[in-house]
Amino acid sequence: AQKITQTQPGMFVQEKEAVTLDCTYDTSDPSYGLFWYKQPSSGEMIFLIYQGSYDQQNATEGRYSLNFQKARKSANLVISASQLGDSAMYFCSLCYYNAGNMLTFGGGTRLMVKP
Amino acid sequence: EAGVAQSPRYKIIEKRQSVAFWCNPISGHATLYWYQQILGQGPKLLIQFQNNGVVDDSQLPKDRFSAERLKGVDSTLKIQPAKLEDSAVYLCASSSRGRSQETQYFGPGTRLLVL
Repeated sequence: AQKITQTQPGMFVQEKEAVTLDCTYDTSDPSYGLFWYKQPSSGEMIFLIYQGSYDQQNATEGRYSLNFQKARKSANLVISASQLGDSAMYFCSLCYYNAGNMLTFGGGTRLMVKP
Repeated sequence: EAGVAQSPRYKIIEKRQSVAFWCNPISGHATLYWYQQILGQGPKLLIQFQNNGVVDDSQLPKDRFSAERLKGVDSTLKIQPAKLEDSAVYLCASSSRGRSQETQYFGPGTRLLVL
C-alpha cells in the first residue's frame, strides 16, 4: 500500500519570499505520478503541478516547482515569491499505474503568508 | 469551460436521516470520482465511475452509502441512514478518460454536518 507523508502541519512565510512544502511517499511500484493540490478556505481542490516517476526533469508551473528526489522518495513543492493569495491548505497526492487513477492524499500543510 | 458543479454546498441533517449530493462533471469527462474529506485530513476516494460503470468502490461503506451515474454524465451520492462520523466535505472530481496519472479536476464540495 502506498502512503503519503506531509510532516509540516502548518507553516508561515513572509510575502515575496520562497517556501518549500515537504512531501515523502512510499510505494513499491516503479510507475507512479505525484500531484500537488491547493485547497483554499472555499473548499475546492485546485491542481497545481504534476511529476511523473520517469520524468527526467523537475516539473515547473509558473511560481510552482517540484523538487523531485526519486531515490529519497520525496516530492517537495517550492513556491517562489509568495503572495497573500497563496494562504491555503496544500495536499500532496500519489497515483500509481496499477490502481487506475486513484489518488492517495497526504494529510496536508496549512500555509499562511504574512504581509 | 465550466468546471465541476456540485450541490448543495452545505447540508445539515440529524443522524439517521438520509441525504443526497449531486455532481455534474466537466463536459466530456468520462471518469467521475467521489471523495470524502474529514476535517483535518486529506480526501479519501469513495467511488470511481468510468462512464456509467463502477471502476472502484472498495472504500465505499455500502451498508449506508450508494452512488449512481445512470447516463454516464451527472452523478448522485446518497447516505442512508447518516451517522455522526459522516460529517465531512464530499468532493466530486472528474478526469477526461480515467487513464493513470491523468489530472483530476475537483468541484467546490458539499459540506455535510450530521447532528
